[in-house]
Amino acid sequence: EIVLTQSPATLSLSPGERATLSCRASQSISNHLGWYQQKPGQAPRLLIYDASNRATGIPARFSGSGSGTDFTLTISSLEPEDFAVYYCQQRGNWPPGLTFGGGTKVEIK
Amino acid sequence: QVQLLQSGAEVKKPGSSVKVSCKTSGGTFSTYALSWVRQAPGQGLEWMGGIVPIFGTANYAQKFQDRVTITTDESTSTVYMELSSLKSEDTAMYYCARGPADFVVGPTAPFRYFDHWGQGTLVTVSS
Repeated sequence: EIVLTQSPATLSLSPGERATLSCRASQSISNHLGWYQQKPGQAPRLLIYDASNRATGIPARFSGSGSGTDFTLTISSLEPEDFAVYYCQQRGNWPPGLTFGGGTKVEIK
Repeated sequence: QVQLLQSGAEVKKPGSSVKVSCKTSGGTFSTYALSWVRQAPGQGLEWMGGIVPIFGTANYAQKFQDRVTITTDESTSTVYMELSSLKSEDTAMYYCARGPADFVVGPTAPFRYFDHWGQGTLVTVSS
């Protein structure tokens, strides 16, 4: 089973700063990676799919990059509503299914 | 407008079963990949399994293979998740989620990502 490792576990930043979140896969997953944002008491929201494509309605300050085993989610300038937990997710062909990383919490410094 | 509306909170005894429903609207029900994802209190996200109705067969995460059953009712555009032999560790928020199916790969691994989510159903397992 492919394991996704996210780092750091917590990122303490101020509004307006740049956030860089990492997700590393235990083996190559091509570009089959998504990123989600989750706020307390809410369901996750898709931000990025296929490593670098923004989902519908997602602001341009969110961008994704990477392929193979190393991926990055960048928030160019943090807005107050961006403080949340972020998860990466990969799809596997065998065994079929999806797995999530452990999450990165972006908190206000 | 896409909506995924889940059934209400459940309290169950250890050893019993729970069945959660998720009624969807928007788009052609049978062509989407429908999944169940759970989140234990304070923990991360865990994919349990899913189904593409037009393919007919469900895929399950190995961890849940023996205890979970995912079914659909196309007449009401509803997907169900039944989890049996409940333990206290199954206490969690259960989400249904929908995404595009991968018709190139086909029924062996049709799940890509989730662009719509239900509101969640809290299942509490307690004696």
